Amino acid sequence: AQSVSQHNHHVILSEAASLELGCNYSYGGTVNLFWYVQYPGQHLQLLLKYFSGDPLVKGIKGFEAEFIKSKFSFNLRKPSVQWSDTAEYFCYSHRGGGNKLTFGTGTQLKVEL
Amino acid sequence: NAGVMQNPRHLVRRRGQEARLRCSPMKGHSHVYWYRQLPEEGLKFMVYLQKENIIDESGMPKERFSAEFPKEGPSILRIQQVVRGDSAAYFCASSPLAGAQETQYFGPGTRLLVL
Repeated sequence: AQSVSQHNHHVILSEAASLELGCNYSYGGTVNLFWYVQYPGQHLQLLLKYFSGDPLVKGIKGFEAEFIKSKFSFNLRKPSVQWSDTAEYFCYSHRGGGNKLTFGTGTQLKVEL
Repeated sequence: NAGVMQNPRHLVRRRGQEARLRCSPMKGHSHVYWYRQLPEEGLKFMVYLQKENIIDESGMPKERFSAEFPKEGPSILRIQQVVRGDSAAYFCASSPLAGAQETQYFGPGTRLLVL
């Protein structure tokens, strides 16, 4: 069965620190990958997505993610986090050719001043 | 353009009662997805519907759970004879088109508490 793994469940960083959140997927075929974010008290919203082409994708608010097929990974990065980045981040895969939609368990990020 | 609407936002039921959760997709969206988030767990896919059709219900529990998306009106997730283990946040998302590359737009969720 397809799965998405987020190994960091809770991350605490100071402002201006660099961020990298891990995401690994298990499916070997075509897969579409997304990162969603849920700010406190708000809806889930899309940060960025990858389908094909340039494996380094840019998203909103300075986030980026790199698709590394050989490692089955799609890690989320930000060079310098802000307090307002405090949120829960979800990696998500939608398997091409089917309706297999899989969320990771989420990573709670807390950015301290 | 209003976002995805879900109601109620909070629902309290006693064991054995029925829970009905409603989801109104964004205007122009004909694809609806339901997810469940249990405490300390991620979102789990439950069901994917288009207007009047269930496309994929592979994530739905076999008993007590059902979903519909009628031609008119919101999508409904129904849970019959609720048990304490059904307590969770239920999220609905919609997209304008089918396809694995479509962005889903999420509602605020319904928090179900079963006493």
